[in-house]
Amino acid sequence: DAGVIQSPRHEVTEMGQEVTLRCKPISGHNSLFWYRQTMMRGLELLIYFNNNVPIDDSGMPEDRFSAKMPNASFSTLKIQPSEPRDSAVYFCASSLDGTGRSGYTFGSGTRLTVV
Amino acid sequence: GENVEQHPSTLSVQEGDSAVIKCTYSDSASNYFPWYKQELGKRPQLIIDIRSNVGEKKDQRIAVTLNKTAKHFSLHITETQPEDSAVYFCAASPHSGYSTLTFGKGTMLLVSP
Repeated sequence: DAGVIQSPRHEVTEMGQEVTLRCKPISGHNSLFWYRQTMMRGLELLIYFNNNVPIDDSGMPEDRFSAKMPNASFSTLKIQPSEPRDSAVYFCASSLDGTGRSGYTFGSGTRLTVV
Repeated sequence: GENVEQHPSTLSVQEGDSAVIKCTYSDSASNYFPWYKQELGKRPQLIIDIRSNVGEKKDQRIAVTLNKTAKHFSLHITETQPEDSAVYFCAASPHSGYSTLTFGKGTMLLVSP
């Protein structure tokens, strides 16, 4: 298995532009998680899906952030409009079930820089 | 919700020494405690985990201990090597229902040759 695949690896965009991050989970994994990592705040859970359904989006910082999972093999995280404070590494992770107790497999991350 | 505190934030040791990283959690219902290692510029990767029905688990040079009464768990690395240098994250997850891992803030371990 190729693992969790994220794209792009790096994204540099200007403030106000729309940014879309993509994730393909491991085949057979039922849960997908989006995390944001910064030096100040560590790993923050933004949203997670179980069987393609959003279960908890309380970590989404504001309405500028939205996430979708149209099918079991694809998810997107969109920021519109982007702001410099959104600069971070965004990780997607998947697991076998929705409990977290089967362990997460993380993707390589997308390093987002908003200038 | 769960709150996980991790200490120290940075740890420097000499090659061959032992390193210990400690975490505390707040939710007594948590019963799964994984540890992740993140090398510079890489993804976090699971290195070891423990469930609440055991007090200690070992895998070669790494071990994790759990004290449910005190609500703390620790990662022990013996005979450290330069390739152990990384950021280590602890996490906790409640037993039942849909839940997610709550991560500590991380410990940057630097092993000097």
